[in-house]
Amino acid sequence: AQTVTQSQPEMSVQEAETVTLSCTYDTSESNYYLFWYKQPPSRQMILVIRQEAYKQQNATENRFSVNFQKAAKSFSLKISDSQLGDTAMYFCAFLQNSGNTPLVFGKGTRLSVIA
Amino acid sequence: GAVVSQHPSRVICKSGTSVKIECRSLDFQATTMFWYRQFPKQSLMLMATSNEGSKATYEQGVEKDKFLINHASLTLSTLTVTSAHPEDSSFYICSAINSGRKYNEQFFGPGTRLTVL
Repeated sequence: AQTVTQSQPEMSVQEAETVTLSCTYDTSESNYYLFWYKQPPSRQMILVIRQEAYKQQNATENRFSVNFQKAAKSFSLKISDSQLGDTAMYFCAFLQNSGNTPLVFGKGTRLSVIA
Repeated sequence: GAVVSQHPSRVICKSGTSVKIECRSLDFQATTMFWYRQFPKQSLMLMATSNEGSKATYEQGVEKDKFLINHASLTLSTLTVTSAHPEDSSFYICSAINSGRKYNEQFFGPGTRLTVL
């Protein structure tokens, strides 16, 4: 079974600064996907960024980028130029690339962006 | 796009009554949907996997007779909380797999807040 660990329950960052959220995972699969989801106070789950395990290049989406270390099973999210709207819960998630399987979520990190 | 709706968005009911929550994929067909439960400040907990035309698969510890799931069409799955009690109060989220996408991409509904008095 896969597990996802987020070791930072809460974090805060000053507006316009950079923050990194940590995530590690455990799996015996070789082909999988990793995600970061944002859950703002509305509680709608929003996909922030996706990484395919077979790709070595780290994914980037505007101010969001990941540091994917496959051998270390690490998948951190870097948010640059933090904005007040980035305040939310952030979940790291794992998806194996076979069958209609559910996402496996970490416990989440609550990020507060301070003006 | 790929949109998933949930209805109702919030519901308040009396203890002992049953509540039905609908999850619809609006612009794609979903043979598989998932139901999650989320308590305040916690992560999403998978309750069950809903497959169109077959019985749902429940996670360990989730009562099948308590949380009835029906996936009668390719665009609709329903979760019925039977004989609801205050401890069933929670936020329920569904997600649907869009099989037409590259990697079985999942799309989330906006959630349903259930309060049992």
